[in-house]
Amino acid sequence: GAGVSQSPSNKVTEKGKDVELRCDPISGHTALYWYRQSLGQGLEFLIYFQGNSAPDKSGLPSDRFSAERTGGSVSTLTIQRTQQEDSAVYLCASSLAMNTEAFFGQGTRLTVV
Amino acid sequence: GEDVEQSLFLSVREGDSSVINCTYTDSSSTYLYWYKQEPGAGLQLLTYIFSNMDMKQDQRLTVLLNKKDKHLSLRIADTQTGDSAIYFCAEKGGAGSYQLTFGKGTKLSVIP
Repeated sequence: GAGVSQSPSNKVTEKGKDVELRCDPISGHTALYWYRQSLGQGLEFLIYFQGNSAPDKSGLPSDRFSAERTGGSVSTLTIQRTQQEDSAVYLCASSLAMNTEAFFGQGTRLTVV
Repeated sequence: GEDVEQSLFLSVREGDSSVINCTYTDSSSTYLYWYKQEPGAGLQLLTYIFSNMDMKQDQRLTVLLNKKDKHLSLRIADTQTGDSAIYFCAEKGGAGSYQLTFGKGTKLSVIP
């Protein structure tokens, strides 16, 4: 597609429920990244994919967070048993290769109530 | 870990120049970026500079890099109300690095 697409754009969920956030990267981009933007925290790196592999999961805040990427394209970030502190904007980015500039999607605003 | 610092707020009058400053700690940074985020939107890549450059100009935008002091700035000439947004400085580390380290963002307010 023309840009990185994320869905849903907004998600309100009850504490304890699981959520799935989707990212469609720019076609042909092999690298995909997830970041989290929280009030007062700036942007935190969560995970990086090269193709379907995730060589660096070091940014995932807890084992409730997981991500996968299939077909070298779409990625899903799953948060299990959501907590209020998970409320944030989750941003996905993709780049042609690891060392080229990253283009960001519009983000998914997650609110846990 | 590596750190990127920016002032949180900047207010300028329409038509004036804006200068947003950033400092970073990673001496092996290869690329430094400026992203713009408008309310409710994602991050838009504005410009970037390779670490062996000291200046890059792109229309109304001028990026200055002082690698010795690890200081990066973004100058916006003839600032318009449409430039009101949050501007993020980000750096990418040495060879093999893929992760961007972001500052907390500078909120630019343009007064008509």
